[in-house]
Amino acid sequence: NAGVTQTPKFQVLKTGQSMTLQCAQDMNHNSMYWYRQDPGMGLRLIYYSASEGTTDKGEVPNGYNVSRLNKREFSLRLESAAPSQTSVYFCASTPSRPGQGYHQETQYFGPGTRLLVL
Amino acid sequence: TQLLEQSPQFLSIQEGENLTVYCNSSSVFSSLQWYRQEPGEGPVLLVTVVTGGEVKKLKRLTFQFGDARKDSSLHITAAQTGDTGLYLCAGRRGSWGKFQFGAGTQVVVTP
Repeated sequence: NAGVTQTPKFQVLKTGQSMTLQCAQDMNHNSMYWYRQDPGMGLRLIYYSASEGTTDKGEVPNGYNVSRLNKREFSLRLESAAPSQTSVYFCASTPSRPGQGYHQETQYFGPGTRLLVL
Repeated sequence: TQLLEQSPQFLSIQEGENLTVYCNSSSVFSSLQWYRQEPGEGPVLLVTVVTGGEVKKLKRLTFQFGDARKDSSLHITAAQTGDTGLYLCAGRRGSWGKFQFGAGTQVVVTP
């Protein structure tokens, strides 16, 4: 039982390059989230998926796209990377879904992907 | 603009001292969570509070949810070096969907 896994762990890109960050969970969770973490800013939600087949924008979606490939996997794509997207990216998951929520649920986080855009 | 304001931003204390971290908002939340994050790792949940006025204790850590469910505090008694980390609060309206995080409080406990 690996929990939430993310690949790659570290990536350097040049401005304008594209890449996809991968996230997978093996806990049969319904909801998955992508956050970015910058110094002094805490965690900001980029996109989330409340159930398989649905995605919704968070606070900072511009410059990103997501795909909920199946219940296990939720990928984040940068089509044309910019230096402002230099950050640490975290994927997370929770059991809940629309119509079946849990106030006491735990949000499980992956180890993060450190992205540097030059 | 952070919906959840955490204070202080940084706290440095010596082992054995007490500390309190605050998480404040003008919005009402259905639940509020506290996480601790260590360098190079993802946040790990410490506690969830859901009832106004609720107090939860986790060994030397005491968490309180405000009566109006707009604010929360984390109090650590007799801090240890292992308490060093970034403490994050996160609120959610409803029992599913998005979480809103505060900017975090960096706590450093020195021997």
